[in-house]
This record gives sequence, structure tokens and C-alpha cells, in this order.
Amino acid sequence: DGGITQSPKYLFRKEGQNVTLSCEQNLNHDAMYWYRQDPGQGLRLIYYSQIVNDFQKGDIAEGYSVSREKKESFPLTVTSAQKNPTAFYLCASGGPQETQYFGPGTRLLVL
Amino acid sequence: SQQGEEDPQALSIQEGENATMNCSYKTSINNLQWYRQNSGRGLVHLILIRSNEREKHSGRLRVTLDTSKKSSSLLITASRAADTASYFCATPGGGNKLTFGTGTQLKVEL
Repeated sequence: DGGITQSPKYLFRKEGQNVTLSCEQNLNHDAMYWYRQDPGQGLRLIYYSQIVNDFQKGDIAEGYSVSREKKESFPLTVTSAQKNPTAFYLCASGGPQETQYFGPGTRLLVL
Repeated sequence: SQQGEEDPQALSIQEGENATMNCSYKTSINNLQWYRQNSGRGLVHLILIRSNEREKHSGRLRVTLDTSKKSSSLLITASRAADTASYFCATPGGGNKLTFGTGTQLKVEL
């Protein structure tokens, strides 16, 4: 099955803790993206990567970090500097004609 | 930054009726895409229309694009309860990025 997976489905963060969200794809896409979605809102771009070992900040990168060591993987770390991390996080990979393929999402909640 | 703005924000219709939602954008584009998001799930790509196309069909979906008005519409004909979802338009944001609108929440009631 080709696709994009995210784990975990739900993640709980304690104050001051860093947490990492996983995103894996087997679509052989070069580009990958992380978005944040707040209730009733659209998607806001956190980070994106167009190729292995390279990534750029999106519109709301503060308090987040990423790595792209493998083509298949683009993990997102929500650091303690992100003061309002509660949101739905979506990972996507870039297909042909600028279409994007999305994972099922991770819901991050703060304890 | 939000490029697209969908209208209406929410739409409630009866099964079998048609649903129309609109997207306006600000800058020139070479294509526009529509995505669907079921509650608590990821987005699914529905259709892409290029700037040189006025209308495109895919099953019960019909998309129009008016580049002079910088607007697009998505029509879902003969709606079903399973069409209940949020619908987003997306435009190229440069560098293989997409900029998504704020979405239309569609509810199709039995």
C-alpha cells in the first residue's frame, strides 16, 4: 500500500516537554510538509522540505524543529518554546502537479 | 498567509440537493485545487483546474475558475450524507508550497 502515515494518533505533552511527531511516506516524493490546524481553521505551514537534508521555515515555525535525514521520513518536534501547542498536526508529501497527499494527522494535547 | 477565502463558512443542505461553495484568491495563479477533509482526518485531493481551463468535471464534482474575478466554485451535485466534510481550496504559494483557504463546512442531512 502506498501512502503517508503519521504516529501517534494522539499525543499528550507535559509542560516543558519536547515531543516528536512521526511522518513516513512510501510514495517516493521529494517534498514533504508539516501543517498545523486549529479548530475551525485552515492549514498553516510550519516547515517544509523539498529534498533530503534540506528544509525551510513556513509561516509559523517558531517553537518547532524538523529534520530530513531520509527521503521517507520528516519528523516534527514540538519544543517547550511552543507555548500553545494544542492543535491537529498534518503531514503531507508533494505529488505531481503540485498536489499534496496527506497523512491521517496527530492530535496534540497538553496535560 | 491565507490566499484563498471560501464562502460560505458553513452550509447545510438536504440529501439530494446541490451544494455550491466558492473560493476567492488574491494573486495570479497557474492552477487551483480543491481538497476535502472529513472530521478529524487528513485532507484528500479532489480536483485541480488549470488557469487556462474554465470548467472541469469529476464524477459529481464540477469546478469552475474565473481568473478575471480571481474566483473558483465547487459544485457537488446530488449530495449524499457521505459528502459531509470541510472543503478547502488551495493555490500555489511558490516553491512547491500550497496556500489553503479557511474552508467551507458542508453538512448534508438525511
